[in-house]
Amino acid sequence: AQSVTQPDIHITVSEGASLELRCNYSYGATPYLFWYVQSPGQGLQLLLKYFSGDTLVQGIKGFEAEFKRSQSSFNLRKPSVHWSDAAEYFCAVGAGGNKLTFGTGTQLKVEL
Amino acid sequence: GAVVSQHPSRVICKSGTSVKIECRSLDFQATTMFWYRQFPKQSLMLMATSNEGSKATYEQGVEKDKFLINHASLTLSTLTVTSAHPEDSSFYICSAIGQPSGETQYFGPGTRLLVL
Repeated sequence: AQSVTQPDIHITVSEGASLELRCNYSYGATPYLFWYVQSPGQGLQLLLKYFSGDTLVQGIKGFEAEFKRSQSSFNLRKPSVHWSDAAEYFCAVGAGGNKLTFGTGTQLKVEL
Repeated sequence: GAVVSQHPSRVICKSGTSVKIECRSLDFQATTMFWYRQFPKQSLMLMATSNEGSKATYEQGVEKDKFLINHASLTLSTLTVTSAHPEDSSFYICSAIGQPSGETQYFGPGTRLLVL
């Protein structure tokens, strides 16, 4: 069965600093990988996705993620964080039947 | 594109009553819709998968007689929480895939249910 690990429950960064959110997955085949962001009391917004091809994926709001098969990782990065980026971030792996398995999420706090 | 709406956004009901939550794909045809439940400060737990015109597939541990799911059209799925109890209070989120979203799930804004 597939699984997703987000080892950091909380991360605090200063506005303007760079950001990296970690995600490790376990899946028997080539995974579909996603990053979603959730603001309080809201649904999930898709930031980016990886299906195949170029392992460096560009998303919305200046985010990018790199798929590293050897490390089973799909870390999310942003070179300069804005205060509005404060939210909960979820990594997910797509399985058969289009099901998604989510990580436990990383809460990002941005200090001004 | 790929917008999913949910109604209502929040609902308060008395214990023992039933509550219906609607999930709509506004600009695409959703061949498959998913229903999730999210507890405070936790991740999303898949409850069931519904394909248009067929019965929903429930995840292990989810009571299908309590959480009735109907996916009668390519743009609408409903989740009915029957005989709701306080422990059913939660944040319910739907998502949809179809054409042209393909393998990507697009999520609704969620429904906050509080059972008194």
